[in-house]
Order: sequence, then structure tokens, then C-alpha cells
Amino acid sequence: KNEVEQSPQNLTAQEGEFITINCSYSVGISALHWLQQHPGGGIVSLFMLSSGKKKHGRLIATINIQEKHSSLHITASHPRDSAVYICAGPVTGSQGNLIFGKGTKLSVKP
Amino acid sequence: DGGITQSPKYLFRKEGQNVTLSCEQNLNHDAMYWYRQDPGQGLRLIYYSQIVNDFQKGDIAEGYSVSREKKESFPLTVTSAQKNPTAFYLCASRANERSNNEQFFGPGTRLTVL
Repeated sequence: KNEVEQSPQNLTAQEGEFITINCSYSVGISALHWLQQHPGGGIVSLFMLSSGKKKHGRLIATINIQEKHSSLHITASHPRDSAVYICAGPVTGSQGNLIFGKGTKLSVKP
Repeated sequence: DGGITQSPKYLFRKEGQNVTLSCEQNLNHDAMYWYRQDPGQGLRLIYYSQIVNDFQKGDIAEGYSVSREKKESFPLTVTSAQKNPTAFYLCASRANERSNNEQFFGPGTRLTVL
């Protein structure tokens, strides 16, 4: 059983739709990372959060540490948002080593 | 520009050959990591290094070796002992001050063993 679970695995949306990607974890994580991986393979860090909510442009990330759950929302989605979104967290006491979800592949159609 | 470079982007090797993947960072980060990504799976940790001249095995270190002779460089060698080396390899680095500091990733190297 993966210790970081993401849902859905695949998501297809129409341009303009509001999108939610969920991440649940069963281990102690001090902060959660949301990463974006484009088709070329490179990974970009979108957010790192340990409580509450963060917003950057059309992206919003929320986390509930007690419930061990985080969500990534994309408002007014656009085809350029098409990518794989990965949540990850440093396991408490692990010297910062990350444990990763399998990713959610998002495709936004024009 | 500060960042992480990996070379080459694509690499082809014959079965039985060792191959070394390059990872260089100019972010002055102490910690560096090597991950392997396979289709449908999350990134898995191969090796990591918290400081120069020291490194630790990750979850899937068998068939791989690393060195950390310089702070900015963390090359990964995929040896002939690695049973299924074809994969996408990602290098990352992190400042060491706090364990939840974000990791910065390189563009990756796609290795295909023929």
C-alpha cells in the first residue's frame, strides 16, 4: 500500500473548468509539497505547505494536517495546465527525504 | 541562473555496460538526491547525500553507485548489476537548514538499455 495516495489517477477537463486533485497520506509528514511534471519530464515545485492554504495565481493548495489530507485546486483551467501533478512530503525524522504519490495526469482540452 | 543540470537528456546503452549520469547544481545546496521514475509509479529514492564525501542508500540502491567528491556534483552510475535499468532518472537538491525545505529538481535523463 502506497503511503501517499492521490486521486484521481487521470483527469480530463474542458478549458475553464475548476479542477481538484486530492492527496492523502498515512505517514507523519511535516510539510506537503505539490509538484508539477510536464511531458518533457522536468519537475517544478508549486507549493510547500504545512498548514492552511496557499494561493499562487490560479492555483490553490490546502492542507489539513490532522486529517492527513491535501488538495490542489486549479481555477479557470487552461490547456497549458496539462501535466502530471505529484504530491510529496518529507517523512518526519527522515532528514528531509521525500515520499511521493504516483501522480495525477491532467489533460485540459480546449 | 541558479539551478540543476543533468546530462545527457537521452541516453542509450547496450545491456551489460555501465553508464554514468551527470548531475550538477550551482545552488550551494548541501543535500542531493537521485530518483528513479517508472510509468505508473511514484518517484523512488536511489541514493542521497547530505554532505560532501558522504552518501546513503535509498530504497532501491541495488545496481547503482554514486560519489560526492564535490558539493556541486553527484554523479550516478548505473551498473550492469541493475536488472532493469531503463527508466527516467531525476536528480534533486535541497538546502539542509530545515528538513522540510523544498527540493529543486533537474530536467532528468531518460536511459534506455537496448
